[in-house]
Amino acid sequence: DTAVSQTPKYLVTQMGNDKSIKCEQNLGHDTMYWYKQDSKKFLKIMFSYNNKELIINETVPNRFSPKSPDKAHLNLHINSLELGDSAVYFCASSKQGAGEKLFFGSGTQLSVL
Amino acid sequence: AQRVTQPEKLLSVFKGAPVELKCNYSYSGSPELFWYVQYSRQRLQLLLRHISRESIKGFTADLNKGETSFHLKKPFAQEEDSAMYYCALSGGGNKLVFGAGTILRVKS
Repeated sequence: DTAVSQTPKYLVTQMGNDKSIKCEQNLGHDTMYWYKQDSKKFLKIMFSYNNKELIINETVPNRFSPKSPDKAHLNLHINSLELGDSAVYFCASSKQGAGEKLFFGSGTQLSVL
Repeated sequence: AQRVTQPEKLLSVFKGAPVELKCNYSYSGSPELFWYVQYSRQRLQLLLRHISRESIKGFTADLNKGETSFHLKKPFAQEEDSAMYYCALSGGGNKLVFGAGTILRVKS
């Protein structure tokens, strides 16, 4: 009965491909996030959505497009994958805003070859 | 701009020794500070937040606005404390900014 689930857990793909990562939370939270963790374990916010609306876009390339069909889901689509996109991507949610406790998914390890 | 600095990438201590993981922040407004922890093969999870003023698993952290610090402390380290620790700052709104993280290694 996982609170924040993301799929797939691992994603290995070639440069230039398009891929998606899905995220769902069953906590009834209003706010969802995507974070990128690089090889040095640095966690950087990419996007934040509140009630299906984009609130934060942290200078992420246009190749990354988040989509929130409803407030329980926040998917991440990546076009034209590049080597530098290789990282672990974490989805998270919170009740309302970043001042609340964030609940994280288990991460998606993306490897671009 | 919100910024969080964790100066140590790795902190290695012996079991039973005191632990202090350093965190300094930069923010012009009134910050909310957090410590998150990631144990091996587990999800990133909240350890504690300054607003709660609580002790979790023996860890405490005091917000020092004068020194803009929020160091995490534990008087006696245990092997199960070994993990990656992230300090994080929210300035309100929907943005939580993390520090670079510190790996705590507790040796027996």
